[in-house]
Parts: sequence; structure tokens; C-alpha cells
Amino acid sequence: QKEVEQDPGPLSVPEGAIVSLNCTYSNSAFQYFMWYRQYSRKGPELLMYTYSSGNKEDGRFTAQVDKSSKYISLFIRDSQPSDSATYLCAMKGGSTLGRLYFGRGTQLTVWP
Amino acid sequence: GAVVSQHPSRVICKSGTSVKIECRSLDFQATTMFWYRQFPKQSLMLMATSNEGSKATYEQGVEKDKFLINHASLTLSTLTVTSAHPEDSSFYICSARAPHGQSYEQYFGPGTRLTVT
Repeated sequence: QKEVEQDPGPLSVPEGAIVSLNCTYSNSAFQYFMWYRQYSRKGPELLMYTYSSGNKEDGRFTAQVDKSSKYISLFIRDSQPSDSATYLCAMKGGSTLGRLYFGRGTQLTVWP
Repeated sequence: GAVVSQHPSRVICKSGTSVKIECRSLDFQATTMFWYRQFPKQSLMLMATSNEGSKATYEQGVEKDKFLINHASLTLSTLTVTSAHPEDSSFYICSARAPHGQSYEQYFGPGTRLTVT
């Protein structure tokens, strides 16, 4: 079993839709949870950063962490064509200096 | 924000030659940099952790003699793919660790696409 599971999609939605992206994980030691956005042929860009359980909101993006279920989510409201990218979840253990464990990434297309 | 650059962005080389990829932190000093490899529609696979002034730590299954990593300064790490073969063709991405609020986070370079013919 991989440490981080993420449905690769692809996911295709119309502009303005609410998008829900999810990851599950098996390692209960993970404490830091991140979402990265990666455009085609580019490096990942840090989008959201959350420590432990709870919600975090930044503009149209909301990250949720449920450690009891080992489940994290990223919601995108009022999705735009410019949101079309691959979204990777990542997480690490109790040390902020630890290595990252990535999901496979979900490919999202928002069509106008 | 923390900016990381990579050079070259794309390289094509012949089988048997060596290729060097540079990773630079432009506006901060990075004592630790990471090298990843990514295949199409796959996640990032950590190859090695590079610490300034010391030997790199390689992940299991990564050949250290084939993928030479040097972290000679606080702003530069290099990855050299020695005696490249077509199966080494991939997207190589580096990241550098930088402060993020009261924590640390990895900031990624734009990647280097290597094609070995």
C-alpha cells in the first residue's frame, strides 16, 4: 500500500463549478499537509499548507484535514479555466525538516 | 517568495554522454536541496537529498554513481547524469528548503526535461 493515495482523474468541470480533490494516507505520523499545483511541463507550486487537523481558506481555495480518517481535501470554488493543472497532495511527519511524500496528482480541466 | 531556478530547461543528449543540471536558489540560502524525477502522469519520486558541504543522501534504488549530486554552495546544487541512456529520459525537478512562516517548506524549480537518444 502506498503511503499517499490520490485519484489521478482526469477531472473535467465547467467554469464556475466547485471542485473537490482528495487524498488518503496511511502513516499516522504525518502532521504537515500541502497541496501543490503543477502546470504542464512546469515545477510544482505551493498552493496550501496546513498543520494538523482543521480547515484553511485562501481566496477560492479551502484545504481540509481530517487526521482521524487520514483524509485531506482541497476545494476550489468558482473554478476558472486558469485552474486547469495537476494538483498534488503532499505530506510529512512531525519535523518541518522532513521529506515530503506525494500523491500521484489529479489532473483537472476547467472548460469555459 | 522563494524562487528556485533550473538550467537547462530542456536538454537532448546522445546515449553514453553525461549531462549536468543546475539548481539555484535565487533569493535565499538553501542548506538543503532535493532532487526529484517525474515520469508522465506520475508523481514526483525523490531521488536524493543534497546538503551543502556534505555528501548527498540517496533514496533506495537510486544509483549514486549514475546520478552525481554536488551541493557546493548555499545557492547551488548540481545533478550530473553520467553515461545517460534512453531510460534516463525524464523530467528532473529540484527543490530547495526555505523558511515558511514558522516552519520550513520546499520550493520547486521549473524542471529540466532530459531526452536521451
